[in-house]
Amino acid sequence: DADVTQTPRNRITKTGKRIMLECSQTKGHDRMYWYRQDPGLGLRLIYYSFDVKDINKGEISDGYSVSRQAQAKFSLSLESAIPNQTALYFCATSDGAAGRNEQYFGPGTRLTVT
Amino acid sequence: QKEVEQNSGPLSVPEGAIASLNCTYSDRVSQSFFWYRQYSGKSPELIMSIYSNGDKEDGRFTAQLNKASQYVSLLIRDSQPSDSATYLCAANNNAGNMLTFGGGTRLMVKP
Repeated sequence: DADVTQTPRNRITKTGKRIMLECSQTKGHDRMYWYRQDPGLGLRLIYYSFDVKDINKGEISDGYSVSRQAQAKFSLSLESAIPNQTALYFCATSDGAAGRNEQYFGPGTRLTVT
Repeated sequence: QKEVEQNSGPLSVPEGAIASLNCTYSDRVSQSFFWYRQYSGKSPELIMSIYSNGDKEDGRFTAQLNKASQYVSLLIRDSQPSDSATYLCAANNNAGNMLTFGGGTRLMVKP
């Protein structure tokens, strides 16, 4: 079984719709991250969370919000989707106690906003 | 300005050869460095971590770190067509809480 899962794996939505991407992990890690990946722009950090009560903005948080429902669950919401949010979205986890920040990625969600 | 730089490639090597992938970083305080392999349409997979100057070997992979030159490299020995992928270099920031990724180098191993 995958240690980091993401749902849905693919999503097509229309401009202005609210959507939620979900991430769950069974690795027991305390830290969770949301990235987006665009061709030519690489991986960019949207939000990260070091525990349930700790949420931090990343490099490109505008237009996004997150919720850390439990240590194992971290959701990303697009309040009003726009076409330039079309991208591949990845969730990642790491073990803060290890002090190394080795991050492990979920399978990704391909989001298309029309 | 990108803080972690990689040549986008493609880097083409024949099967059985050594592939050499390079990465430079700008934050002198970075202490931890990572190499990820990403197949097209798939998620990044951690293949090597390196924290101190010198070489670290794991199977066919060797990571090299030179903090004075702010340079990280990945050598893949006996390259196989299955090694064809994009390789991402990442560095921890000075607070140790975020990774900065390079744009990746696309490697093509030709049979």
